[in-house]
Amino acid sequence: GIQVEQSPPDLILQEGANSTLRCNFSDSVNNLQWFHQNPWGQLINLFYIPSGTKQNGRLSATTVATERYSLLYISSSQTTDSGVYFCAVDNSGTYKYIFGTGTRLKVLA
Amino acid sequence: EPEVTQTPSHQVTQMGQEVILRCVPISNHLYFYWYRQILGQKVEFLVSFYNNEISEKSEIFDDQFSVERPDGSNFTLKIRSTKLEDSAMYFCASRNPGPAGVQYFGPGTRLTVT
Repeated sequence: GIQVEQSPPDLILQEGANSTLRCNFSDSVNNLQWFHQNPWGQLINLFYIPSGTKQNGRLSATTVATERYSLLYISSSQTTDSGVYFCAVDNSGTYKYIFGTGTRLKVLA
Repeated sequence: EPEVTQTPSHQVTQMGQEVILRCVPISNHLYFYWYRQILGQKVEFLVSFYNNEISEKSEIFDDQFSVERPDGSNFTLKIRSTKLEDSAMYFCASRNPGPAGVQYFGPGTRLTVT
């Protein structure tokens, strides 16, 4: 099956810093989403981005489908950005998502 | 903004007992999913459901598991005889049909089997 790897596994930032999280996948994908899992365990949808670039406030994401990776950019990080960031991909067209192992982000005040 | 809801938020049960986890998907969505996340691990797909039947299921989804849409709003996951290793966070998700169908996740039910 498709493999999904995320890097870095852990990231510690000072408030106000910028960061880039990466998601590599081993096969072409039909669907891709980025999620933020907050400290209460909730999965918050950030982007649906099987290709191209999107922006939402301080967050933006880019997927280069032909090269099998996606990037999530966080600018001017805040303590509320802390948590685990997952990318999830589907390569069957059925929206059966395979999740990556996540990037655990901690933003220090 | 519409959201997926799940009840209960936390369920504690004894090994061998049956549990039913409940979900109310977003009202106009037609595709429904269950995932689980064992503590500290990644989220894993369990089952997808459309038109009142299972579309796809993973190896985890064995005969101990079943899903049902008992009415027009609820979507349930039943575990017949719980094991210690069923302890996990269970997420329900739903999506609209179509090529840009974002999958929306509920807040999860934390199941603890003792």
